Amino acid sequence: KQEVTQIPAALSVPEGENLVLNCSFTDSAIYNLQWFRQDPGKGLTSLLLIQSSQREQTSGRLNASLDKSSGRSTLYIAASQPGDSATYLCAVKNYGQNFVFGPGTRLSVLP
Amino acid sequence: DTAVSQTPKYLVTQMGNDKSIKCEQNLGHDTMYWYKQDSKKFLKIMFSYNNKELIINETVPNRFSPKSPDKAHLNLHINSLELGDSAVYFCASSQRWGEETQYFGPGTRLLVL
Repeated sequence: KQEVTQIPAALSVPEGENLVLNCSFTDSAIYNLQWFRQDPGKGLTSLLLIQSSQREQTSGRLNASLDKSSGRSTLYIAASQPGDSATYLCAVKNYGQNFVFGPGTRLSVLP
Repeated sequence: DTAVSQTPKYLVTQMGNDKSIKCEQNLGHDTMYWYKQDSKKFLKIMFSYNNKELIINETVPNRFSPKSPDKAHLNLHINSLELGDSAVYFCASSQRWGEETQYFGPGTRLLVL
């Protein structure tokens, strides 16, 4: 059974810093991995989707990498802004199964 | 234009009641999902529907019954509500099952008293 963990659980950084969020999964035979952000009281917004054959995806200041063999993905946020404050979740999909979500990392970017 | 919408946004009800949550997507997607996010913020899949057919039913009590009248709608009916059902319920959709980006609705906050 796939298990997904995220470290750290919470992170507070000053504006302008580059930061890395980590996601680990136990079953490396994944189909794809997706990063989401969730604002308080809101639904989830998809940020990046990485297929199992890919090693990274980029969108603006966001870069997500995937290392299947070690069961890890990282989300890199460059030049963080207060508007980046949210909870970031990763979700992993194995073949024939639904997405399994991690518990999230709560990010606060201080002005 | 809202891509994935849910009604109601808030639902407060007594234990033992039966309630329904509605979800609609206007993206033309084939697949829809129901998720539950508990008080600790863990998000867990409940159901996946593809072209109105149930794909996967995770370990969910049979008091929960999804209904998909057409590809654009996936409703969730809950019988005999229990205190532990209090959570935020999210509907989502994707172009195809598991392959594409998922788009989430705003959530329905259910409180069972």
